[in-house]
Amino acid sequence: DIQMTQSPSSLSASVGDRVTITCQASQGISNYLNWYQQKPGTAPKLLIYDASNLETGVPSRFSGSGSGTDFTFTISSLQPEDIGTYYCQEYDKSPFTFGPGTKVDLK
Amino acid sequence: QVHLVQSGAEVKNPGASLKVSCKASGYSFSDYYIHWVRQAPGQGLEWVGWVNPDSGGTRYAEKFQGRVTMTRDTSTKTAYMELSRLRSDDTAVYYCARSHVVVTLDVWGQGTLVTVSS
Repeated sequence: DIQMTQSPSSLSASVGDRVTITCQASQGISNYLNWYQQKPGTAPKLLIYDASNLETGVPSRFSGSGSGTDFTFTISSLQPEDIGTYYCQEYDKSPFTFGPGTKVDLK
Repeated sequence: QVHLVQSGAEVKNPGASLKVSCKASGYSFSDYYIHWVRQAPGQGLEWVGWVNPDSGGTRYAEKFQGRVTMTRDTSTKTAYMELSRLRSDDTAVYYCARSHVVVTLDVWGQGTLVTVSS
């Protein structure tokens, strides 16, 4: 199975800060990577697909980049409603593993 | 509007079986795979498998092979996940979600909490 790691596991930031999360795959996955946001008690929400494409309706402050094994997710200016946990997910090979998540909260 | 609506919470004894439903609306049911993803309390997300509503074909994570069965009823636009020989570590919220050709989960159900306890 492909292993996915994320860092940091958690972070605290202020409103307006730039937030960056990294995701690493144990083997090359081209750009077969998605990013999801999950708020407590709710289902995950797709933000970024194919590593860098913004899902329809998602604010442009969210972005993604990378290919191969190393990926980055960025919130350009953190807003209070962005609090939650962010997961990367590879879809190159079954079992389409999710990363362990990065919890983002307000400082 | 596109929706996936799941059945309600369940409490099961160890060794029992579970069947969760996921009713689709607002789109062509046959055009999108239905996936099941679970999340144990305080933990991350784990892909369980998918069913192709058009063909009925399935693919399961190896970890669940032999214990999980995914089916669909095209007349009611409903997908089902059955998990047998339940253990306490199957306690989780189970989500259904849809994808087109690749496993990009763009619409999710609200989740079904399954508690396995004696």
